[in-house]
Amino acid sequence: EVQLVESGGGLVKPGGSLRVSCAASGFSFGSSTMNWVRQAPGKGLEWLASINSASSYMYYADSVRGRFTISRDNTKNSLYLQMSSLRAEDTAVYYCARDGLYFSSTVTIPFDYWGQGTLVTVSS
Amino acid sequence: QSILTQPPSASGTPGQRVTISCSGGGSNVGSNYVYWYQQLPGTAPKLLIYRNDQRPSGVPDRFSGSQSGTAASLAISGLRSEDDADYYCLVWDDNLSAWVFGGGTKVTVL
Repeated sequence: EVQLVESGGGLVKPGGSLRVSCAASGFSFGSSTMNWVRQAPGKGLEWLASINSASSYMYYADSVRGRFTISRDNTKNSLYLQMSSLRAEDTAVYYCARDGLYFSSTVTIPFDYWGQGTLVTVSS
Repeated sequence: QSILTQPPSASGTPGQRVTISCSGGGSNVGSNYVYWYQQLPGTAPKLLIYRNDQRPSGVPDRFSGSQSGTAASLAISGLRSEDDADYYCLVWDDNLSAWVFGGGTKVTVL
């Protein structure tokens, strides 16, 4: 069973830093592109960043480029999002989601499984 | 403000058909696959439709997707109370080199 479990959320002051993690199990983590998505309270979904299986390609949304860094450790089946220079508007639930590989890896389905999310609150 | 436009709300009575649109442009909906997600209150999003019109195993055939030009749509037929949720479209945008979600549509079952 595919499982994605986020952790590391909490309360942080404006200008501060925080790292959230996503522990993966039940699939070949090292073969999958992984993603971070957030949802501010009462708002819609916002894609933040993606990283390919070998960590050779990372893509970022304009809203977080230069402040957030996506990374992964395939030996630990873990995905990370290092967040710095945090602002009140970064307050949100942060989800990790995987790109699934199907039909002998010939078809990629983006964001096919999601974790339950971890809440990050930026406030003084 | 997303570059993918969805109506903020839609509603119907049980058994009715509801359609949600996702309007974009040539660099996103017009040239890449559209994906649809359902988010029930207080839960993580769930994949409903991939590659414009394909249903993952386990998704009821009451849900269907289509795409034409720079617009896509999600249809829910035989509306049920458990379909009361938020629905989002997602597409890769070639100009932005970024994934883009639509603003979301709240479906209310009356």
